[in-house]
Order: sequence, then structure tokens, then C-alpha cells
Amino acid sequence: EVQLVESGGGLVKPGGSLRLSCAASGITFSTYSMNWVRQAPGKGLEWVSSISSSSTYIYYTDSVKGRFTISRDNARNSLYLQMNSLRAEDTAVYYCARGADFEFDYWGQGTLITVSS
Amino acid sequence: QSVLTQPPSVSAAPGQKVTISCSGRSSNIGNNYVSWFQQLPGTAPKLLIYDNNKRPSGIPDRFSGSKSGTSATLGITGLQTGDEADYYCGTWDNSLSAGVFGGGTKLTVL
Repeated sequence: EVQLVESGGGLVKPGGSLRLSCAASGITFSTYSMNWVRQAPGKGLEWVSSISSSSTYIYYTDSVKGRFTISRDNARNSLYLQMNSLRAEDTAVYYCARGADFEFDYWGQGTLITVSS
Repeated sequence: QSVLTQPPSVSAAPGQKVTISCSGRSSNIGNNYVSWFQQLPGTAPKLLIYDNNKRPSGIPDRFSGSKSGTSATLGITGLQTGDEADYYCGTWDNSLSAGVFGGGTKLTVL
């Protein structure tokens, strides 16, 4: 059974940092592109970042460029999102999702990030 | 303001058919595959359609997708109360070098 489990969420002050993790099981993690998608409270989905299977290709939405860093450890079947200089507008549930070309076929349950003083 | 435009809401009676539109540009829908996702209340999104019109294993053929030019459409036939959810289209945007979602459409089955 494929499972993606996010962790690392919580309450952080504006300007602070947080690192999200997504642990994958039941899949050959190293062969898939991975993504982070977020959803602010009561709002729609927003694509945040993606990373190719060997980390060759990395992309970010404009609002997080220079602040967030996506990475992966294929040996540990894990995906990460290092989030720095957090802002109130980064408050959201963050999901990891497997797939390339928006064929996001497996999603985690999400982890909530709240940026507030 | 989302890059892809969806109607905020649609509604139809049980058993009926509904379509949800997703409008974009040549840089996104016009030159890339479109996916559709269903998000039931309080749950993670679920892939319904990928590559414009393909259904993942387990998705009933009541759900269909199509694309023409810079617009895509999700169709749902034989509506059930369990179909009440938010639906999102998504694709890659070559100009932005980023993924983009529509703003989402809330489906109400009356």
C-alpha cells in the first residue's frame, strides 16, 4: 500500500523557519517526481514546488522562491521542504504528492503550518 | 486570482449530469496535459483525470475529461450525493515554469 506521511508542521512566528518531511512507503520512491501543494484555510489548492526523481529539476511558485527549498533523500524515501522567512500568508495545510506532469496520484494527509505571532 | 479559471460553484440533481469548465492560456492548458482532482470535505485531494481524459484505476467512468484549445472540461454523469466536493483543474504553465491550479468549483448535488 502506498503511503505518504507528512510531518513537521506547527505554529511558528513570522520570520521563522520550519522543515517539513514527507515519508514514502510502498513505492519505489527514487523513480518518481515529488511535489508540495498547499491549501490556505478555506481556500483552494496552490502548487508550491516540485523536484524530479534525481533532483535534477526543481521548480517553485514565485511567492516562495528564495525562501523555500525542496529536497529529497532517495535512500531514506523522504521528501523535504525547508521553509525560511515564513509569512502569515504561508499559513496552510501542506500536502506532498507523487507524480510528474500534474499526474498527482498519491497524496499525503497534509500537515498544518500556522504562521502567527 | 488563479491562473486557471473555474466557476465557483455548480449544482445539479441526483442522477443528472454536470460539467465543470477550466479556462487557461496557450502557456498552460494550450500546451500541456490537464488533470482534475476531487477534494471531499476534510480530506486530501484525489486524482480523477490525468492527461486530459485518462482515468486512474478505480475511478468510475461516470467521470470524464476533455480539452479543446485553452479550455478543459470535467464531466460527471449519474450524480450521487457522494460526489459533493470541491473540484480542481491543474496543469503546468510553461511561461511561469510552475504548476497552476484553478480556483476550484464546489459541486452541490441538490
